[in-house]
Amino acid sequence: AQSVTQLDSQVPVFEEAPVELRCNYSSSVSVYLFWYVQYPNQGLQLLLKYLSGSTLVESINGFEAEFNKSQTSFHLRKPSVHISDTAEYFCAVRGVGDDKIIFGKGTRLHILP
Amino acid sequence: DAGVIQSPRHEVTEMGQEVTLRCKPISGHDYLFWYRQTMMRGLELLIYFNNNVPIDDSGMPEDRFSAKMPNASFSTLKIQPSEPRDSAVYFCASSFQGPGTEAFFGQGTRLTVV
Repeated sequence: AQSVTQLDSQVPVFEEAPVELRCNYSSSVSVYLFWYVQYPNQGLQLLLKYLSGSTLVESINGFEAEFNKSQTSFHLRKPSVHISDTAEYFCAVRGVGDDKIIFGKGTRLHILP
Repeated sequence: DAGVIQSPRHEVTEMGQEVTLRCKPISGHDYLFWYRQTMMRGLELLIYFNNNVPIDDSGMPEDRFSAKMPNASFSTLKIQPSEPRDSAVYFCASSFQGPGTEAFFGQGTRLTVV
């Protein structure tokens, strides 16, 4: 079985400052990893995913995440945040050969002016 | 494709009433997931289907909850009788079968039981 831990429930950061949202996972098998974003009163949208190959994956809006197998982590980073990044961010895991997609509890990103 | 479609978007009901939430997955997707989102517990997987067959319902909290998928384009989640602690946002998601495929989410149904 897989599990996901998002260590921070809320992260405040000033506009144009860098941010890192932490995600650690647990699994007995190889995994696929995802970051989703949820804007207020909306469903979840895929931000980026790691399947295999390069451990650094990027999204179209400036976010990136790095898969670290030894640390069992998949932290999300952005070098400079914008007010429009205000949202809740969810890390998720799907085990290779497994059907379930398991989510962390989410991290709410607050952008301060 | 219009994406995953859920109805209703909002539901307010009295304790003890039956509630039915509906979902239309993306055409061609093989998997359908039902999740519940609350502040306390985050996003919990309730049940999922593969090719209309329920595979794992271990996340369904109680016998008051049931889910069906009579065909590839429709699923329901029913709560009978409803209780105030069932108040949450319920999401339906679907995905293709294949390694590493992501789930596509609907807009959710916000359920309030008073």
